[in-house]
Amino acid sequence: GAVVSQHPSRVICKSGTSVKIECRSLDFQATTMFWYRQFPKQSLMLMATSNEGSKATYEQGVEKDKFLINHASLTLSTLTVTSAHPEDSSFYICSARDPRGYTEAFFGQGTRLTVV
Amino acid sequence: AQTVTQSQPEMSVQEAETVTLSCTYDTSESDYYLFWYKQPPSRQMILVIRQEAYKQQNATENRFSVNFQKAAKSFSLKISDSQLGDAAMYFCAYRSAGAGNNRKLIWGLGTSLGVNP
Repeated sequence: GAVVSQHPSRVICKSGTSVKIECRSLDFQATTMFWYRQFPKQSLMLMATSNEGSKATYEQGVEKDKFLINHASLTLSTLTVTSAHPEDSSFYICSARDPRGYTEAFFGQGTRLTVV
Repeated sequence: AQTVTQSQPEMSVQEAETVTLSCTYDTSESDYYLFWYKQPPSRQMILVIRQEAYKQQNATENRFSVNFQKAAKSFSLKISDSQLGDAAMYFCAYRSAGAGNNRKLIWGLGTSLGVNP
C-alpha cells in the first residue's frame, strides 16, 4: 500500500503562537489530501479537503483563518494552526488516496498538539 | 446525505473467541465502498477490510470477514480467533464511488473492542 507520513508526531506550543503540521505522500502523488481532528475516544471529524494548487474546502464550522491549509505540491500538504489556544489541543490526522487503483485512504501517523 | 451508525460503543471478547461488530448505513446511492478501519492505542489508522457495493461476495482478510447486506444496508465485521493485538477502536466508513480522489469518507462513531486473555 501507499505511505503517508505526517510530521511532527507530537508538538507542544505556547498560546498565541502558530504551529505547522506536514503531511507527505511518500510514494505517490496526491492531488487531494484530507485533514481530520480527533478528540479522545471519538470519531474522526473532517476539517477540510486540501486540493493541490487550489484553495482548500473547509467543512462547516471550521475557521479558515485559524486552520490554514496549503497544498503546494503533489506530495505535500500543510496545516498551520494560527494563534493557537488550549482548546486547539487535539489529535490531527491527514489522509490521502493513492490514485493508482486503491479504493481506500491511507493515513498519516497523526500529530498530538498540546497548547499550553 | 449519507450516514454511518455503529450502535455498540464498547465490546469485549475472550481471546481465541469470535466477535461481531455491527455497522449500518444510509444512502440513496447504488455504487459505493465500505471500509472497516482499526485504530490501536498508537492511533495509526489501519485498513482492516474493504467491500465494493457492486460485489455480492463478502470480503475476507484472514481472520476478518464481513457480512454485507446491501438491501438492509448492513456491514458487520466478524473477527475470528481474537488476539490481544485486536484490541482497538474500530471504525466503519462509507465512501461514494465514482471518479476523482476528493470523495470524503463518512465515519461511524466507532466501537472500542477489548480482548480478554
